[in-house]
Amino acid sequence: QVQLQESGPGLVKPSETLSLTCTVSGDSITSGGNYWTWIRQPAGKGLEWIGRIYSRGSTNYNYNPSLKSRVTISVDTSNNLFTLKLRSVTAADTAVYYCARERVAPGTSYPAPWGQGKRVIVSS
Amino acid sequence: QSALTQPASVSGSPGQSITISCTGTTSDIGNDNYVSWYQQHPGKAPKVMIYDVASRPSGVSDRFSGSKFGSTASLTISGLQAEDEADYYCSSYTTSNTVVFGGGTKLTVL
Repeated sequence: QVQLQESGPGLVKPSETLSLTCTVSGDSITSGGNYWTWIRQPAGKGLEWIGRIYSRGSTNYNYNPSLKSRVTISVDTSNNLFTLKLRSVTAADTAVYYCARERVAPGTSYPAPWGQGKRVIVSS
Repeated sequence: QSALTQPASVSGSPGQSITISCTGTTSDIGNDNYVSWYQQHPGKAPKVMIYDVASRPSGVSDRFSGSKFGSTASLTISGLQAEDEADYYCSSYTTSNTVVFGGGTKLTVL
């Protein structure tokens, strides 16, 4: 059974960098067909796709255009995890951050499972 | 990229059927069949109910079904039950190899 777990600081100061880790169990971070994704949800609001990474041999990234200048997603194959870094944060980045696996094959994209979410508050 | 358009709320009585629409463009929903639907209960992570427009994951009730016509996707829930009361989100791939979500629909079971 594949499980994902987010971890990292729950409080980040404005202008600093938000760093979160998603630890994957039950599947390899370098398995073919797997995209590893970050999504966020401000309190009381909808879901926002942040970006994803595919790492098998070469590494491919896709980022939300509205966040692309501040976001980096990377993988740590030794520890079977992937990370999110969001630079120059403001209060608008306060949200619950989710990580998820997306299984992709020709003609299909299955976006599951998701982690339980990590609440991050941006405040001084 | 603009969010997909969903109604803010829908409601129905137990046993009835409801449909939630999700409208996009030819750059997302209208471009391929990578549309997913999620159910989210308060304080919980979203759960995928439909993927690839109309496919249902193992363990999801067959009361949930999906469809698409042009740039509009739909989620239909038949035989409404109290436990179906939740927020529902659609998502779609875009032609830029990104993903866009809908704004969410709150389902109330009367």
